[in-house]
Amino acid sequence: NAGVTQTPKFRVLKTGQSMTLLCAQDMNHEYMYWYRQDPGMGLRLIHYSVGEGTTAKGEVPDGYNVSRLKKQNFLLGLESAAPSQTSVYFCATSDIYEQYFGPGTRLTVT
Amino acid sequence: GENVEQHPSTLSVQEGDSAVIKCTYSDSASNYFPWYKQELGKRPQLIIDIRSNVGEKKDQRIAVTLNKTAKHFSLHITETQPEDSAVYFCAASTSGGGADGLTFGKGTHLIIQP
Repeated sequence: NAGVTQTPKFRVLKTGQSMTLLCAQDMNHEYMYWYRQDPGMGLRLIHYSVGEGTTAKGEVPDGYNVSRLKKQNFLLGLESAAPSQTSVYFCATSDIYEQYFGPGTRLTVT
Repeated sequence: GENVEQHPSTLSVQEGDSAVIKCTYSDSASNYFPWYKQELGKRPQLIIDIRSNVGEKKDQRIAVTLNKTAKHFSLHITETQPEDSAVYFCAASTSGGGADGLTFGKGTHLIIQP
């Protein structure tokens, strides 16, 4: 039982490159989320999904896209990375109340 | 949208003393208030939560109080220990359990002095 996993753990991108972050869960949770964490800013919601095939915008969605083709996976895409997207990205899942976080992906855009 | 303010940003207490972290929220429709602890380089983990139909909740050395009228809630840690050193985040949700995500405060770095 792995819980919530994220791939990759670290990545360095050049400005303008694209990449996809993968979140996978084996908890059978309906709800999944992507947050970013920046120093002194707490966690901010990027996008979320309330079920397979659904997505919605959070507080800071610009520059990101998401997809939830399978219940257990939630993908976060950066089409053209910018230095402002340097951050730690956390995926989370929940059933009703508690949100369970993945280990995070540290992304640096140069 | 919801806005959550958290104070203080840094809190240093002597081991064995109590620590209090306070948060205010803006949306009166918020009804779920969790607290997360994050150790350096680790993921946030839920330590306690409270729903809007309850004024106080306690779990061993940790307690949370909620004042819906004033729109603020607080985390209380008694008999602090070195392992309590971490960053603590409060959060709020209007969807009863975070179905549409949580709005977090900016965090409090709690330092336990030996």
